[in-house]
Amino acid sequence: KNEVEQSPQNLTAQEGEFITINCSYSVGISALHWLQQHPGGGIVSLFMLSSGKKKHGRLIATINIQEKHSSLHITASHPRDSAVYICAVTGNQFYFGTGTSLTVIP
Amino acid sequence: EPEVTQTPSHQVTQMGQEVILRCVPISNHLYFYWYRQILGQKVEFLVSFYNNEISEKSEIFDDQFSVERPDGSNFTLKIRSTKLEDSAMYFCASSEAPPGRKYTEAFFGQGTRLTVV
Repeated sequence: KNEVEQSPQNLTAQEGEFITINCSYSVGISALHWLQQHPGGGIVSLFMLSSGKKKHGRLIATINIQEKHSSLHITASHPRDSAVYICAVTGNQFYFGTGTSLTVIP
Repeated sequence: EPEVTQTPSHQVTQMGQEVILRCVPISNHLYFYWYRQILGQKVEFLVSFYNNEISEKSEIFDDQFSVERPDGSNFTLKIRSTKLEDSAMYFCASSEAPPGRKYTEAFFGQGTRLTVV
């Protein structure tokens, strides 16, 4: 049983394209996190949100609590954005999605 | 910027050996976590720790595993008798507040890649 589902699992884009990664969850949450995992394995927190929308540079994260859905958008994608993007939600513990592997081709 | 540090970055051990993975959480954080990620699979929760005791643990965290905060700064994960299937990346994380709070943000270490041969 997956409490958090992400789509797509894999995504290849040309540099400059607008990218959307989706996350749906089935548990009650207090917050949703978007994480970035680099090829070396390290995990970096990009966003934490419990409502609405947040923007950081070329990254935008939105959440719809009623629909239990979140999206991560990357505008003007760049090869350095290539990484695995993980959606995680906070209930009584952290639940992780399986990740979306993004490759941006120059 | 404060960060969670983990050592070693990579550990190779023989099956049946004990390993200790070490983590230094962010200094003012009170909640500590271990996660693991088997190659090609999703990150899985192992255990959370607060006030010198385990607050939550998953089915994965059986009697082979233990956690300890031996001093004011370190947080360790011990695997008593490693199995091949323990090979994974192990992540430590810490937070100021418990996971159920609305604005709890966890900070992750870079991970320790454990290879059991």
